[in-house]
Amino acid sequence: EAQVTQNPRYLITVTGKKLTVTCSQNMNHEYMSWYRQDPGLGLRQIYYSMNVEVTDKGDVPEGYKVSRKEKRNFPLILESPSPNQTSLYFCASSRDNREAFFGQGTRLTVV
Amino acid sequence: AQSVSQHNHHVILSEAASLELGCNYSYGGTVNLFWYVQYPGQHLQLLLKYFSGDPLVKGIKGFEAEFIKSKFSFNLRKPSVQWSDTAEYFCAVSSGGSYIPTFGRGTSLIVHP
Repeated sequence: EAQVTQNPRYLITVTGKKLTVTCSQNMNHEYMSWYRQDPGLGLRQIYYSMNVEVTDKGDVPEGYKVSRKEKRNFPLILESPSPNQTSLYFCASSRDNREAFFGQGTRLTVV
Repeated sequence: AQSVSQHNHHVILSEAASLELGCNYSYGGTVNLFWYVQYPGQHLQLLLKYFSGDPLVKGIKGFEAEFIKSKFSFNLRKPSVQWSDTAEYFCAVSSGGSYIPTFGRGTSLIVHP
């Protein structure tokens, strides 16, 4: 079954404690992206990747890092999380610009 | 840079009412247009998409959207909504070398039974 898998689905952490949210897709897609969803702001792109070892900043990259060492994986790293990074995060992948497939989401709370 | 504007942030309707959600984008070149739906507690799912050809696009669950190039618009419509249509709806656009779409802020739709 074609899917984008994020882990964990829910995470509560404390300010400053490094965390990683994993994202994996099994569709051999070149393009992957991370979004955060906040009430009234919709989805805002954090980082995207056009292929292995090729990443670029989206609209709200501050406080986040990504890596793309393998085609299927695109982890999102928060080196020092802060409360303003409390949000719902979605990973997406696509083969071309015709449709993006989304993961189930990760609800992160930073206290 | 492309941007997407959704005019209605919150819409409340009764069952069987007609629905139209506005979406405008800013980009002068060729675009691909999408409407995604997010049911409560779930991830985004594709409702319909437009790449080229007939500007009236039909999607799942009775939804349709019309691409009007001169108005840079891609409005979503449904003749008769159901309670199960309660969800958040996102308009999105990708263009040129942008393979990951840009999203609007979303419209929250509540349908009363």
